[in-house]
Amino acid sequence: NAGVTQTPKFQVLKTGQSMTLQCAQDMNHNSMYWYRQDPGMGLRLIYYSASEGTTDKGEVPNGYNVSRLNKREFSLRLESAAPSQTSVYFCASSEPLIAASNGNEQFFGPGTRLTVL
Amino acid sequence: AQSVSQHNHHVILSEAASLELGCNYSYGGTVNLFWYVQYPGQHLQLLLKYFSGDPLVKGIKGFEAEFIKSKFSFNLRKPSVQWSDTAEYFCAVNARSGGYQKVTFGTGTKLQVIP
Repeated sequence: NAGVTQTPKFQVLKTGQSMTLQCAQDMNHNSMYWYRQDPGMGLRLIYYSASEGTTDKGEVPNGYNVSRLNKREFSLRLESAAPSQTSVYFCASSEPLIAASNGNEQFFGPGTRLTVL
Repeated sequence: AQSVSQHNHHVILSEAASLELGCNYSYGGTVNLFWYVQYPGQHLQLLLKYFSGDPLVKGIKGFEAEFIKSKFSFNLRKPSVQWSDTAEYFCAVNARSGGYQKVTFGTGTKLQVIP
């Protein structure tokens, strides 16, 4: 099992450019998440998908869109990148609350370090 | 709205010193509590979790945490730290409410262990 994989690992964009961050998990989890990590601010939830076919906004959704392509894949799109979006982005997955017997541990990908100039 | 507070932002300890990192949350309902660790350059990994039962939870690498419901706390402890424990530690709360789960992370505590 690869767990949670993310591509790319690093990316540099110019202001106004667009890009999509890809995430896939092979643990058959229903729920998937996108976080950004910034110094002194911990992890902040951008969007999440409780199950295939649903997506919801998290704490900091502005400037982002997501697509739950299928049960395995959950992508994050920046339509017009801004320097404020310079961050490390983590994708995670877990079982939903009701179904889980393991306390809903989240499994994280290796992250994408994005710089917007 | 639920929130998680980690009061120590940066902790520096010598090897063999004891560690306690504070975590307090605000939420009145049933919660699952977690500590995650992020080693330099790596992604977050689960250290330990509280789901139900014994409030003293033991995790990997000698870490433990105690859930004190009356204090809304879930402090992380280790009796003797090692240089390899240098990392950032995040407390997280899953709140259960009618089948919906909301996850909130604390801002993290950077631990630096000096050999």
